[in-house]
Amino acid sequence: DQQVKQNSPSLSVQEGRISILNCDYTNSMFDYFLWYKKYPAEGPTFLISISSIKDKNEDGRFTVFLNKSAKHLSLHIVPSQPGDSAVYFCAATFHGSSNTGKLIFGQGTTLQVKP
Amino acid sequence: NAGVTQTPKFQVLKTGQSMTLQCAQDMNHNSMYWYRQDPGMGLRLIYYSASEGTTDKGEVPNGYNVSRLNKREFSLRLESAAPSQTSVYFCASRGDQTGGAYIQYFGAGTRLSVL
Repeated sequence: DQQVKQNSPSLSVQEGRISILNCDYTNSMFDYFLWYKKYPAEGPTFLISISSIKDKNEDGRFTVFLNKSAKHLSLHIVPSQPGDSAVYFCAATFHGSSNTGKLIFGQGTTLQVKP
Repeated sequence: NAGVTQTPKFQVLKTGQSMTLQCAQDMNHNSMYWYRQDPGMGLRLIYYSASEGTTDKGEVPNGYNVSRLNKREFSLRLESAAPSQTSVYFCASRGDQTGGAYIQYFGAGTRLSVL
């Protein structure tokens, strides 16, 4: 039972254009969401996050949108750069003493930005 | 600033052999985690440790054991390796919930092949 799903295994965009990566979740208890970026032969690195009390969070070229009613979030990268080519993981968690910070990850989307 | 350090980076085992994957963090974090990454599966939690002296099972604990040696170190042991344990293993750590809540910091990974 995949609680966090990234249904697009790969995405290819032209440099300078917008990249939109999507993520869906099923557990309504999730109230905090994160995006990680992973280059080959490296560990995932934190990119941006959003709390369920917000519907948008922006950090430079990266914006995450959250639609709670649809249980959907998306990561927008504008403008896309070749250095953004990587695997992007969506992750979800929830507050509460029983959680201890565990993250549930999606399968990942490989983004290729073409020069 | 080392962050999370994993050793070894690569390992090849024969079926039935045992080994221990080492992880150390220098960020004074309380919580530590072990994940495995398989193609199309994202990152799946094997075991975690919410604080020194405590460990708990994650999503895929079978065939593994862990030890939280002290606050810095969290090791993962394969007692009798199986080909199904061929994967990339990541260790992560997380500070407290204030400021950067739920952000986990990852090591570079250990690439394990079991023949």
